[in-house]
Amino acid sequence: AQSVTQLDSQVPVFEEAPVELRCNYSSSVSVYLFWYVQYPNQGLQLLLKYLSGSTLVKGINGFEAEFNKSQTSFHLRKPSVHISDTAEYFCAVSGTNTGNQFYFGTGTSLTVIP
Amino acid sequence: DADVTQTPRNRITKTGKRIMLECSQTKGHDRMYWYRQDPGLGLRLIYYSFDVKDINKGEISDGYSVSRQAQAKFSLSLESAIPNQTALYFCATGPTKNEQFFGPGTRLTVL
Repeated sequence: AQSVTQLDSQVPVFEEAPVELRCNYSSSVSVYLFWYVQYPNQGLQLLLKYLSGSTLVKGINGFEAEFNKSQTSFHLRKPSVHISDTAEYFCAVSGTNTGNQFYFGTGTSLTVIP
Repeated sequence: DADVTQTPRNRITKTGKRIMLECSQTKGHDRMYWYRQDPGLGLRLIYYSFDVKDINKGEISDGYSVSRQAQAKFSLSLESAIPNQTALYFCATGPTKNEQFFGPGTRLTVL
C-alpha cells in the first residue's frame, strides 16, 4: 500500500509571498501523485497531477509541483499567493500497478494574510 | 448542472437510525467511490465500485454498506448510525485509475 505525509497542518503566508506545501509519500511501487484543493464548504478540486514524464507539473491557478523520486516528495509551490488561495490542500498517491485506491494526506490549511 | 451530486447536503440524525446517502453522476464514469473526511485525518476510503456488479471494501468499511443501483448511482448506508460516524462524506467518480472527480459532500451529524 501507499501512504502520504503532509508535515505542515497549517501554513500562514502573506499575500503576494511565495509558498511551498510539503508532501512526502511512501510506496514500494511506482506511483501517480495528485494535489487537490478544498475551498470552504466545497468538494475537492484537482490542482495538478503527476502520471509520468516531466517531473515539473503545472496546474491551475498558478500552482506547480515537482516530483522527486529520490526524496519521495511532491511539494506544491506558488510564487505569489492571493487571498483567494486560502483553502485546504490535500496530497494524494495511487499505485500505478494497482490504482484501486487513492491515499490522501491529512491536509494543509493555507491561510493567506492580507 | 453539477457532474457529481450528493443528497442530502446536510443531515442530522439520532443514534441507531438508518441513514442513506446518495450519489449520482452524469459523467458516465464506471468507477465510483465513497470517502469520509474528519478533521486532522484527511480523506479515508469507505467503499469503491468499478461497475454495477463490483463492490469493494476500502480502508474503513465497518459500519457501512453500499449499493450500486446503476452506473450513475452509488449509495452509502449506515445501518445503525453512531456518533463517531459524524463526518463529512464525499462521493467521487473516475473514468480511469488516475482520475477522481468529487461531489460537494454531505455533512452528517449523529447525535
